[in-house]
Amino acid sequence: EAGVTQFPSHSVIEKGQTVTLRCDPISGHDNLYWYRRVMGKEIKFLLHFVKESKQDESGMPNNRFLAERTGGTYSTLKVQPAELEDSGVYFCASSPFRTGATGELFFGEGSRLTVL
Amino acid sequence: GNSVTQMEGPVTLSEEAFLTINCTYTATGYPSLFWYVQYPGEGLQLLLKATKADDKGSNKGFEATYRKETTSFHLEKGSVQVSDSAVYFCALWMDSSYKLIFGSGTRLLVRP
Repeated sequence: EAGVTQFPSHSVIEKGQTVTLRCDPISGHDNLYWYRRVMGKEIKFLLHFVKESKQDESGMPNNRFLAERTGGTYSTLKVQPAELEDSGVYFCASSPFRTGATGELFFGEGSRLTVL
Repeated sequence: GNSVTQMEGPVTLSEEAFLTINCTYTATGYPSLFWYVQYPGEGLQLLLKATKADDKGSNKGFEATYRKETTSFHLEKGSVQVSDSAVYFCALWMDSSYKLIFGSGTRLLVRP
């Protein structure tokens, strides 16, 4: 079974440009999460999808960030325009709906974003 | 609000040394507690968990006990190996919020 896949693994862009990160969750997983780790600090929650619906987007920093999950499958996270403070590692995670072991998320390897 | 605090790293140990990584939490209610690990070049993976007070989670020689009285979930291993070198994240889960809240991570480096 394929795991959570993220790409690109690393993106280097200039301030003001746009970047789109993609996440392919484990097949059949209804829950999809985006997290971010900035400058070696804690991993912070960004948002949570259940299928194609945004369940919780309380962690999105501002309106420069837009997340979508087309058809309840893969998800994209777009940053437009990117700022220096957006640099960090963006993690995607998925889990089955109403899993019996809540909190057990399956993570991708992360997408490292560097904004110059 | 809910939060997790873990000891700052890096922690550098010699092979076969005893490991403790401290983790404390603040939560309204009764969270489940987790340790996730990120090995170099890989994504986070679940190491162990505990869902209620006094539960002990264990895996790969690592252990952590859910201590409600001290709001702690310290990670321990009796004899570390070079292959344990990684970043360790303590996290809590509240069913009411349906999301993981992480600490800042502790990097462990084990020298031969």
